[in-house]
Amino acid sequence: AQKITQTQPGMFVQEKEAVTLDCTYDTSDQSYGLFWYKQPSSGEMIFLIYQGSYDEQNATEGRYSLNFQKARKSANLVISASQLGDSAMYFCAMREGTGSARQLTFGSGTQLTVLP
Amino acid sequence: DTGVSQDPRHKITKRGQNVTFRCDPISEHNRLYWYRQTLGQGPEFLTYFQNEAQLEKSRLLSDRFSAERPKGSFSTLEIQRTEQGDSAMYLCASSLARPGGSHTEAFFGQGTRLTVV
Repeated sequence: AQKITQTQPGMFVQEKEAVTLDCTYDTSDQSYGLFWYKQPSSGEMIFLIYQGSYDEQNATEGRYSLNFQKARKSANLVISASQLGDSAMYFCAMREGTGSARQLTFGSGTQLTVLP
Repeated sequence: DTGVSQDPRHKITKRGQNVTFRCDPISEHNRLYWYRQTLGQGPEFLTYFQNEAQLEKSRLLSDRFSAERPKGSFSTLEIQRTEQGDSAMYLCASSLARPGGSHTEAFFGQGTRLTVV
């Protein structure tokens, strides 16, 4: 089973509108972290936002917020007031609590295009 | 510190040749990760170091791949006898694992794009 599922290969949004990028995850760990990264065409993965499994409030970072629904195992990214520079690939990732490496497991990504 | 840097940014090599990539992490970060990303997919974990010790390797890391972090600072990833299936973006990331278990987010470099012809 996929650990991270992003069901939207591509999304379009009008400039200045809000957009939600979906992410569901699968883990049996009680302690885990959820991340969103942005990857522009230049290739660098840019960290956007983090949500811990024990965090009671949804994470927010500027125009980014994470809609964390633990019972549904979803961690959707909401981008408010979209800008043209938001056009990029967006990856949801999880770091599970067990295991020494604590590496990230990524979804397949969503290509977001912001339309002028 | 300007972040994680990787060199080269692009590499084209003939099948069967050896290639080596370098990663310079953020200086105070004790963990260093290598990931591979193929077109249209998310990055996949290859291996990671805690300081100079290589603590875990993915099954994706065949015997032709070797990684080192000799002084706990920069790291190299070598691929021997390259195959066309090795063509991918190789991403390096670093993070700081603190005593007590807390962990910063991983910061990524811009990657090395390998093309095997």
